[in-house]
Amino acid sequence: RKEVEQDPGPFNVPEGATVAFNCTYSNSASQSFFWYRQDCRKEPKLLMSVYSSGNEDGRFTAQLNRASQYISLLIRDSKLSDSATYLCVVSDNDMRFGAGTRLTVKP
Amino acid sequence: NAGVTQTPKFQVLKTGQSMTLQCAQDMNHNSMYWYRQDPGMGLRLIYYSASEGTTDKGEVPNGYNVSRLNKREFSLRLESAAPSQTSVYFCASSVVRNTEAFFGQGTRLTVV
Repeated sequence: RKEVEQDPGPFNVPEGATVAFNCTYSNSASQSFFWYRQDCRKEPKLLMSVYSSGNEDGRFTAQLNRASQYISLLIRDSKLSDSATYLCVVSDNDMRFGAGTRLTVKP
Repeated sequence: NAGVTQTPKFQVLKTGQSMTLQCAQDMNHNSMYWYRQDPGMGLRLIYYSASEGTTDKGEVPNGYNVSRLNKREFSLRLESAAPSQTSVYFCASSVVRNTEAFFGQGTRLTVV
């Protein structure tokens, strides 16, 4: 079993749609959680950290479920510019990256 | 705001050749990392450095060496390149380990 697993997608959604990604992790001792965004042939960039209480940043909402060992990312009112690969990152002593979920938002 | 700067951006090597990937950050970060990214796989840690003069192996260190001569710079060396080392390499830095990491633009390396 991979340490961090994501549905690779691709997710193809129309503009304005709501889309959700899940990510599961295997190490129950993990302490820090992040979502990164990676555009095609670019470097990953931090989208948001994920806190135990859940957190929201504009159209983006991240949730953490420690009991079930998963984190989620919800994107509301999708924009064309949201098209990218979203990387789930889970950290115990090292940061462990999921392979990414690819999102394409279409007009 | 340069952030994390990697050179070169592209490189083609022949099997057995050596090269050094350079990385520098201007954010006064303590921690620096080298990752490789392959299709269908997450970024995998090659080496990590907590501070000047210290380095630790990551998940996939074989075939690589690193050097952290000062706080700003962290280089990755391939002594004898192999086709299995064809990948995209990212350098990153963070204030301390496991906090938000900032990435360089990546080096696309092909070994033929």
